Amino acid sequence: EAQVTQNPRYLITVTGKKLTVTCSQNMNHEYMSWYRQDPGLGLRQIYYSMNVEVTDKGDVPEGYKVSRKEKRNFPLILESPSPNQTSLYFCATRPSLAGQDTQYFGPGTRLTVL
Amino acid sequence: ILNVEQSPQSLHVQEGDSTNFTCSFPSSNFYALHWYRWETAKSPEALFVMTLNGDEKKKGRISATLNTKEGYSYLYIKGSQPEDSATYLCAFSSASKIIFGSGTRLSIRP
Repeated sequence: EAQVTQNPRYLITVTGKKLTVTCSQNMNHEYMSWYRQDPGLGLRQIYYSMNVEVTDKGDVPEGYKVSRKEKRNFPLILESPSPNQTSLYFCATRPSLAGQDTQYFGPGTRLTVL
Repeated sequence: ILNVEQSPQSLHVQEGDSTNFTCSFPSSNFYALHWYRWETAKSPEALFVMTLNGDEKKKGRISATLNTKEGYSYLYIKGSQPEDSATYLCAFSSASKIIFGSGTRLSIRP
């Protein structure tokens, strides 16, 4: 079954404590990205990756890091989380950035930074 | 700055009525326009991907049209049902970016 998985699904943490949210896909997709969703602001792209070892900043990359060492995984790293990073995070994948390709979303990770 | 606008922000519709809403997007560097349906506590699910000017797509009671020259797309729901209650997102993709609108939140009154 085609899947995008994220872990953890829920996390409450404190300011400054490094954390990683994992994203994994089993569809051999080239393109992966991270979004955050905040009320009234829609989905905003944090980082994206066109392929292995190729990552680029989205619209709101400050305070985040990513890596793409292998095709299936695209972890999101918060080195020193702050309360303004409290949000709902979605990982998404698509075969490529070609026009017709549909994007598939993971189940979301709700992060609270105290 | 590329911007995708959706209107209205929210909509309340009586069960059985038909409705539509709008997505406006840049008319340059266009690759595709996506519509998603997003139910509360779930992740967005793809409804349509449209690439050609004049495209029309249909899935059951839901359909969408695309005008790339003027930069807008309409989503139509015919005979709304309670299960249609969700947020409907559109997203514009260019060669290197996908930009989402903030969605239209649809509530169906029984």
